[in-house]
Amino acid sequence: QQQVKQSPQSLIVQKGGISIINCAYENTAFDYFPWYQQFPGKGPALLIAIRPDVSEKKEGRFTISFNKSAKQFSLHIMDSQPGDSATYFCAASMYNAGNMLTFGGGTRLMVKP
Amino acid sequence: NAGVTQTPKFRVLKTGQSMTLLCAQDMNHEYMYWYRQDPGMGLRLIHYSVGEGTTAKGEVPDGYNVSRLKKQNFLLGLESAAPSQTSVYFCASSYPRTLAYEQYFGPGTRLTVT
Repeated sequence: QQQVKQSPQSLIVQKGGISIINCAYENTAFDYFPWYQQFPGKGPALLIAIRPDVSEKKEGRFTISFNKSAKQFSLHIMDSQPGDSATYFCAASMYNAGNMLTFGGGTRLMVKP
Repeated sequence: NAGVTQTPKFRVLKTGQSMTLLCAQDMNHEYMYWYRQDPGMGLRLIHYSVGEGTTAKGEVPDGYNVSRLKKQNFLLGLESAAPSQTSVYFCASSYPRTLAYEQYFGPGTRLTVT
């Protein structure tokens, strides 16, 4: 049973467009929601993260929107660039002994020049 | 700093063979993790460790064993490989959550079991 569901599985966006990736979670004990970016042949790397006490967090062209009541959060990439082409994973974590992450299934983003 | 390194990068096994994947980190992190990545399923946690000499099961532990004899190393073992274990394996490390949230990932090991 997947506790974090991510959509879409793949996304094609024109250069300069907005890329939007959505995630939904089930466990209300989750209290930390990161997004990881993965380039082919590399390990994932933290892109941006949010805590549920805020509804939005922006870092450069990347924004997380968080809706606690709906148990949903999304990543928006403004002015998408070909260099943003990668696989994006949302994740969720709760306070526990292991600092463990539960990942969504991933979204493969392609930004066309 | 090298960060998180994994050995080997690629491996092909025959069904029933055994192997050990090595993960090393030079960031003095307490916590270490092993994930497997399969298409459409994201990363799933196999085992993790919150300190030297301690290990615990994650979401998909069956068929794997781990050991954390030194703080900087985390070993993942497959005693009798099966085709279902064909995957890309990632190691990660982090501080305890009270200090920081981020997990740092290695470059991965691509394993094929025939």
